[in-house]
Amino acid sequence: QVQLQESGPGLVKPSETLSLTCAVSGYSIRDGFYWGWIRQPPGKGLEWIGSVGSMYHNWATSYNPSLKSRVTISVDTSKNQFSLKLNSVTAADTAVYYCARIWGGSSHVENWGQGTLVTVSS
Amino acid sequence: QSALTQPPSASGSPGQSVTISCTGTSSDVGGHNYVSWYQQHPGKAPKLIIFEVTKRPSGVPDRFSGSKSGNTASLTVSGLQAEDEADYYCSSYAGNDNVIFGGGTTLTVL
Repeated sequence: QVQLQESGPGLVKPSETLSLTCAVSGYSIRDGFYWGWIRQPPGKGLEWIGSVGSMYHNWATSYNPSLKSRVTISVDTSKNQFSLKLNSVTAADTAVYYCARIWGGSSHVENWGQGTLVTVSS
Repeated sequence: QSALTQPPSASGSPGQSVTISCTGTSSDVGGHNYVSWYQQHPGKAPKLIIFEVTKRPSGVPDRFSGSKSGNTASLTVSGLQAEDEADYYCSSYAGNDNVIFGGGTTLTVL
């Protein structure tokens, strides 16, 4: 059974770069699906950040247009993990960040990580 | 891209049925049969309960059902149970490999 686990700093200073990693077990990220990030500010709704396709999708990335200028999603196949970088963060980027396994055809999230809270504060 | 529109709250008594709407545009909900629904209990990650408008993942009770008409999708929970009390989010493919979510609906079982 596939499992996803986020890791990274829980506190980031304004204007710096938020970096998170999602370790995947029980499935090789090379073998299919899309792999993505979704966030949820405290007490608010979900926001799609972006995704990266598998080897069969040529590792193609796509990003939420509202975040595209600040976001990079990349993969490390040797460690079977993928990462999120969000630069120039502000307090508005404070949220629980979830990593996800996504069925590309219809873009629904089949599996979620447990989520990790990232606070942007000096 | 704007978020899909959901009512902030819904409620029903045990055993009753409740329907939650999710309204978008012809570019998202109306343009694709790629609407999904997620259930989120407090402090937990969301859980997929409906995908591709009407399909249920294995293990999801058939009390949960989905439908769509035009630019509006709906989630119906029949035979309400106390454990159904949670937040529910819709999402839709929005073209160009992007996805948008609804603002969420808090379902209260009275």
